[in-house]
Amino acid sequence: DADVTQTPRNRITKTGKRIMLECSQTKGHDRMYWYRQDPGLGLRLIYYSFDVKDINKGEISDGYSVSRQAQAKFSLSLESAIPNQTALYFCATSDMRGFNEQFFGPGTRLTVL
Amino acid sequence: AQKITQTQPGMFVQEKEAVTLDCTYDTSDQSYGLFWYKQPSSGEMIFLIYQGSYDEQNATEGRYSLNFQKARKSANLVISASQLGDSAMYFCAMREGGTGNQFYFGTGTSLTVIP
Repeated sequence: DADVTQTPRNRITKTGKRIMLECSQTKGHDRMYWYRQDPGLGLRLIYYSFDVKDINKGEISDGYSVSRQAQAKFSLSLESAIPNQTALYFCATSDMRGFNEQFFGPGTRLTVL
Repeated sequence: AQKITQTQPGMFVQEKEAVTLDCTYDTSDQSYGLFWYKQPSSGEMIFLIYQGSYDEQNATEGRYSLNFQKARKSANLVISASQLGDSAMYFCAMREGGTGNQFYFGTGTSLTVIP
């Protein structure tokens, strides 16, 4: 079984709709991250969380919100989706021990029409 | 200023040859980490190699090595004996500030291995 899972894997939605992307991990890591990937722009950090009570904005948090429901679960919400939020979204985790290598989920491909 | 710069949008290499993918970084922290990830066409992100800012020796992992030049703030990935399966996007990334904080990714280099 995958250590970091994301649901859904693919989603098509319409402008103005609220959508939630979910991430679960079985690695026991405290740290979780949400990124978006756009062609030619690499990965950009949206939000990150170092524990259940700690939520931090990343580089591009506008238009997004997150919820850390438990150590293993970190959800990303688009309150009112717009077409330029069409992207590939990755959840990642890391361990505060060691060198903090990031472990990625398989990604969610989101299309906003 | 960009934290991570990858200046090669696309690269080609002959099978069995070596290839170097460039990465420069920008930080004022003394403690930081540098990473390379591979993203095949299937989309997943695969960790390849890590170099800590205090590591004196260049990191190596199998056919991957990281050419770390601290004074130049460069962390180039060298892939030896390229294989067709190495065709993918490659991302350089940096973690600033010890064992926490944010990661920054470059825009990636698309590598194509030619038979």
